Amino acid sequence: GEDVEQSLFLSVREGDSSVINCTYTDSSSTYLYWYKQEPGAGLQLLTYIFSNMDMKQDQRLTVLLNKKDKHLSLRIADTQTGDSAIYFCADLSGAGSYQLTFGKGTKLSVIP
Amino acid sequence: GAVVSQHPSRVICKSGTSVKIECRSLDFQATTMFWYRQFPKQSLMLMATSNEGSKATYEQGVEKDKFLINHASLTLSTLTVTSAHPEDSSFYICSARGAQGSGNTIYFGEGSWLTVV
Repeated sequence: GEDVEQSLFLSVREGDSSVINCTYTDSSSTYLYWYKQEPGAGLQLLTYIFSNMDMKQDQRLTVLLNKKDKHLSLRIADTQTGDSAIYFCADLSGAGSYQLTFGKGTKLSVIP
Repeated sequence: GAVVSQHPSRVICKSGTSVKIECRSLDFQATTMFWYRQFPKQSLMLMATSNEGSKATYEQGVEKDKFLINHASLTLSTLTVTSAHPEDSSFYICSARGAQGSGNTIYFGEGSWLTVV
């Protein structure tokens, strides 16, 4: 089946930029998503990018997509302690099923 | 933005009883809803996909008779865990996808913690 890989942990200092990376294997991906999950809570959609784009910026968030290498990244500028959470990368297949394939999540820890 | 609401957020039930979790799309019509299960410190595992008015499609290894999914309207899907056992204790999350033209955006509910004692 399709696979989405993420590093499990990332630690940054408050005020620095965070970059969370994700790789995927699905050649027919149409959309790629970033979700944030705080402890004990559901998933919050942060942003998504259509597969024919290579960059999307939304306030402090920048998504970069390298479709050739199947590499997606999420950059959080001026990281704050409130950004500490688990970030999931997810891939929407173009096969028509509309099922998301998730990575295991990257736990971002922000050091004050 | 679109909101998906799950209820209850936490539920404790006795072993052998059934418990129902509701998933509602509050400001859009959800043609497709998904149910996930999340074990501690792990990613989400898709359990089933439900389309309004039709039977749910279950993932391999998920017992359809144990996890009953109903998607009777475009704004409501329910997951019923029947004859619950302690190993069913988990975090259950639903997600909903709007109709065509809504950008293929998929929104998640807040999740429901189920504890079976």
